[in-house]
Formats: sequence, structure tokens, C-alpha cells
Amino acid sequence: DVKVTQSSRYLVKRTGEKVFLECVQDMDHENMFWYRQDPGLGLRLIYFSYDVKMKEKGDIPEGYSVSREKKERFSLILESASTNQTSMYLCASSPLSEKERYEQYFGPGTRLTVT
Amino acid sequence: AQKVTQAQTEISVVEKEDVTLDCVYETRDTTYYLFWYKQPPSGELVFLIRRNSFDEQNEISGRYSWNFQKSTSSFNFTITASQVVDSAVYFCALLNDGATNKLIFGTGTLLAVQP
Repeated sequence: DVKVTQSSRYLVKRTGEKVFLECVQDMDHENMFWYRQDPGLGLRLIYFSYDVKMKEKGDIPEGYSVSREKKERFSLILESASTNQTSMYLCASSPLSEKERYEQYFGPGTRLTVT
Repeated sequence: AQKVTQAQTEISVVEKEDVTLDCVYETRDTTYYLFWYKQPPSGELVFLIRRNSFDEQNEISGRYSWNFQKSTSSFNFTITASQVVDSAVYFCALLNDGATNKLIFGTGTLLAVQP
């Protein structure tokens, strides 16, 4: 079974803090993704990575950065957290194989509250 | 423009009723993929089905069935004889071929199945 884990289920941070959200997958997938989920807006892509040290902006990258130093780990960084970044953050991974590459496997999510 | 619309924000049914979740998509591409994901209260999105644009056959998997109609750009999902365990948020998503796995999600439909 593919397993995608996220470092915290719930996180409370103060405005201006630097926040790290960690995601680890154990299936040697090349692609990894960070989404945020908000009521009425569905899931929106923040950043994705298709290889170690490679990253591309998604639809809403402002206020975020990412790091992928190892294939299994993809970190989302909020340089200076703001209240409008209070949200559910979901990490996903997918393989590059032609047959499976469209299927994304999701972690359980981190509910971040910025006060 | 690429877009996925799930017009039903919330649906409430009684156990054993049939329920259909609607999904309408927009894309200019001729090759694309459509997905349904389930998000139970635990938060983790679970992959249900993938359909490519050249395969309009309907699919049935146990109590679940999917109706793909290119003529109306719809990919509807029906649960037959619903159960309480079907209570979740359901997301429809679109991926265009060659789009580096960038899924475009609808806003989701919250299904509540009452005992």
C-alpha cells in the first residue's frame, strides 16, 4: 500500500512565524504535490515537484516555498505565516509509470490555524 | 479554460436511497482524464476512478457507477443503496494530457447518509 504521511494533523502558529509542513511518501514516487483545501474552493495546487531539487509553481504559490532534497520528502514552507493561510494542507504523490502516473495518492492532511 | 463544476454543495439522503453526484467539466483538449475522489471525515482523499476522454463506457463497481457523457461534458457518479459509510466529501477532477499531473478539482459535494 502506498503511504503518504504528513508530520502533523493539527498545527497552531502565530502570525509572522516560519512554518514547515513535512510530507513523506514510501513508494519511490517521482511526483509530489502540495494542495490547500478551503470550503467552497475545493483543492488548489500550491507547488509540485517532479524530481529531487525540481519544483514548479501551481495555481496559488504566493506566500509559500517548497524544498525537495530527497525523493521521499517534500516540504512546504510558509516564510511568514498570515491568518489567510489558515487552511487544510494536503500532500500527494504519484509515480511516473505510464499506467499509473495520473493517480495521485494523498496524505491525511494538516489543518493549520494561524492566529 | 479548464474548469470542473460540482453544483451540489451538500446532499442528504436516508440509508438505502440511491444518490447521484453531478460533475460538469470544461476543457479545450481532446485528450483528458476525469477522476472521482472520496474524502471521509479522516481527511485523506481516496481515489475511486479514472476515465480517459476516449472511453465513454459507463463503469460499475459494486454499488458505485459512473456515467461519462462527452456530449454534455458530464461525468456523474451514482451510489446505489447508500450506506452511512458513504458519508464523505466527493471531488470530481480533470487532468489534461501532458499537463504534468496537474489535477483541477471541483469544489466538492458533501454527502450525508442518515441511518
